[in-house]
This record gives sequence, structure tokens and C-alpha cells, in this order.
Amino acid sequence: AQSVTQPDIHITVSEGASLELRCNYSYGATPYLFWYVQSPGQGLQLLLKYFSGDTLVQGIKGFEAEFKRSQSSFNLRKPSVHWSDAAEYFCAVGHKGDYKLSFGAGTTVTVRA
Amino acid sequence: KAGVTQTPRYLIKTRGQQVTLSCSPISGHRSVSWYQQTPGQGLQFLFEYFSETQRNKGNFPGRFSGRQFSNSRSEMNVSTLELGDSALYLCASSLDGEGTEAFFGQGTRLTVV
Repeated sequence: AQSVTQPDIHITVSEGASLELRCNYSYGATPYLFWYVQSPGQGLQLLLKYFSGDTLVQGIKGFEAEFKRSQSSFNLRKPSVHWSDAAEYFCAVGHKGDYKLSFGAGTTVTVRA
Repeated sequence: KAGVTQTPRYLIKTRGQQVTLSCSPISGHRSVSWYQQTPGQGLQFLFEYFSETQRNKGNFPGRFSGRQFSNSRSEMNVSTLELGDSALYLCASSLDGEGTEAFFGQGTRLTVV
């Protein structure tokens, strides 16, 4: 069965510093990969997605992610975080024919001034 | 265009009661899926519908059911509510559910007392 691992439960970063959130997946085939962000009490907002092609994908709000097949990873990065980036981030994996997403446990990002 | 709309946003129910949650997908989207989010279990897939047919179902008891109407709107029902059913229920819509990006609603916060 597929699984998604986000090793970091909580990350604290200073405003203006860079951010990297890790995501590893276990899947038999090349999956569809997503990063979502959730503010307290809200739904999930899609940051970016990877289906195929260029392994470095750009998303909204200045985020990017890199797919590394050899490491089964899809890490999310942002060069300079803003206080508004404080939220919970979820990595998700899908596969053609599954009709569902499998989510990691999430990483909570705190931004300090 | 309008996003995914979930109603109601908040619900308080008593153990043993039943509840129906509603989801209106983005116009043109034919796939609707449902997820349960709790602090302990994270985001768990409930079921997915496409053109009124359930194509996948998660590992939940039969008390959880859903349906989709011809206009792609979907409802989920939980019967004989238990305290553990307290959660944020999220609906997501996508064009076809085949790994294309899913857009989430704000969720319905269900509290069972």
C-alpha cells in the first residue's frame, strides 16, 4: 500500500529565512504529487503539483518543489518566508485509477519575527 | 469561478443521531471525494464519486455513506453518530478524479456530544 511520510511534525523558521519541507512516498508506480497548505479552521489550498516532465515545479506564493525519483521524495521549498506562510502543509500522493489522495501527517510551520 | 461549497460549516449533533453534509463542486468538475480530518488520524479518504457512481471507498464503517446527484453535487451521511466521528469533513472536486488536481472546500466541522 502507498504511504506518504512527512518526517518533520513542526518547523520554526525566521521571517526572511528559507524553508524546506520534506516528503517521502512509497508507491509502486510514478505517482501524482501535490503540496497543499491549510490555515487553521480552513480547507486545503493547492500549492503545486507534479504529474510528469520537469522535476522542478513552481507553485503559488513563491513555493517550488523538486521530484527526485531515486529518493522517492518531493520536497517543498521557499527561498524567503513571510509571516503569512505560517500554516500546516500537507504532501499528497495520487495515482491514476485510484481516485483518491493519500496524505502525509502534515508539517506545521511557525514563522518568528 | 466559484469554488467548492460545503454546507453547513458547523454542526453539533448528539450521539446516536444521523447527519447529512453537502458539497457543491466547481462547475464542470464531475469527481467529488470526501475526506475526514482529525488530530489523531490526519486526513483519511472516505469515498469518491464520478457521474453518480462510487469508484473508491476508504476504510470506514458502513455508517458512513454518500451519493452524488446528476448535477455532480454530493452528500455524505453518517448514521448512529459516535463521539469519534467528531472531525472536519472536507470535500474535494476535480475534473475527473484521475490524479488531476483536487480543489477543497472549507469543510464542515462536526462535533458529536
